[in-house]
Amino acid sequence: NAGVTQTPKFQVLKTGQSMTLQCAQDMNHEYMSWYRQDPGMGLRLIHYSVGAGITDQGEVPNGYNVSRSTTEDFPLRLLSAAPSQTSVYFCASSVRGSEQFFGPGTRLTVL
Amino acid sequence: GQQVMQIPQYQHVQEGEDFTTYCNSSTTLSNIQWYKQRPGGHPVFLIQLVKSGEVKKQKRLTFQFGEAKKNSSLHITATQTTDVGTYFCAGPSSGGSNYKLTFGKGTLLTVNP
Repeated sequence: NAGVTQTPKFQVLKTGQSMTLQCAQDMNHEYMSWYRQDPGMGLRLIHYSVGAGITDQGEVPNGYNVSRSTTEDFPLRLLSAAPSQTSVYFCASSVRGSEQFFGPGTRLTVL
Repeated sequence: GQQVMQIPQYQHVQEGEDFTTYCNSSTTLSNIQWYKQRPGGHPVFLIQLVKSGEVKKQKRLTFQFGEAKKNSSLHITATQTTDVGTYFCAGPSSGGSNYKLTFGKGTLLTVNP
C-alpha cells in the first residue's frame, strides 16, 4: 500500500493563477480531508468528504474547491491564488471512528 | 465553535528531562487523538483516548484523558533526541466520527543532546 499520496511536493504560483493539488489513497477509506498548516496555527480544516460524491466545508474553505468522484481521489482546487494561500497543505484519510492518515504534504508559495 | 487549546507552544529541554504538553477543549469530547509531526514531515497518529480518566502508555510516553473529557495530557519521561517534533492533540468536531477533527496549535519540543 502506498497510503496517502500527494502531488506536487512543491509549487510556486503567481497571484491569480489556478491549480489543483492532487491527493489519492489506496486504503479504501471513506473519509478524506484537506488541511492547511501555517506557522503557529496548527492544522486547519479546509474541506472534507465522507464518501464519493459528498463534500462539505471545514473551517477555512474560502478560495478552495473540492470534488470527490471516486473513493480514491480528492483533489483540491485553488481558483485564483493569493499570497495568503501560501502554506503547507496536507491531505488525510480515515475510516469511521479511527485515526487519520496524512500524506507527505504540498508546500505552496504564492508570489 | 469548538476550540482546542494546547500549552505550552514551545518547550526546550535537555536530553533526559521530562516533558509534558496539555490540551484543553471548550466542549466535552467523545475521544481525543494525539499526533506527532517531525520537522519537515507530516502528522503521524500516536494514540486515541476514549474513556473518562483513561491513561495509556507507549514506552516513555504517557497519555491521559481527563475525568470530564475536556482535557488531556502527554508526558514524555527522560526525553531523547528522537522525541523532537511538534505534538498535536485533536478532537472530533461533530458526532465523534473523527472525520472532522479540530486540532490544537501544537507544542514544539526541542531536545538539547
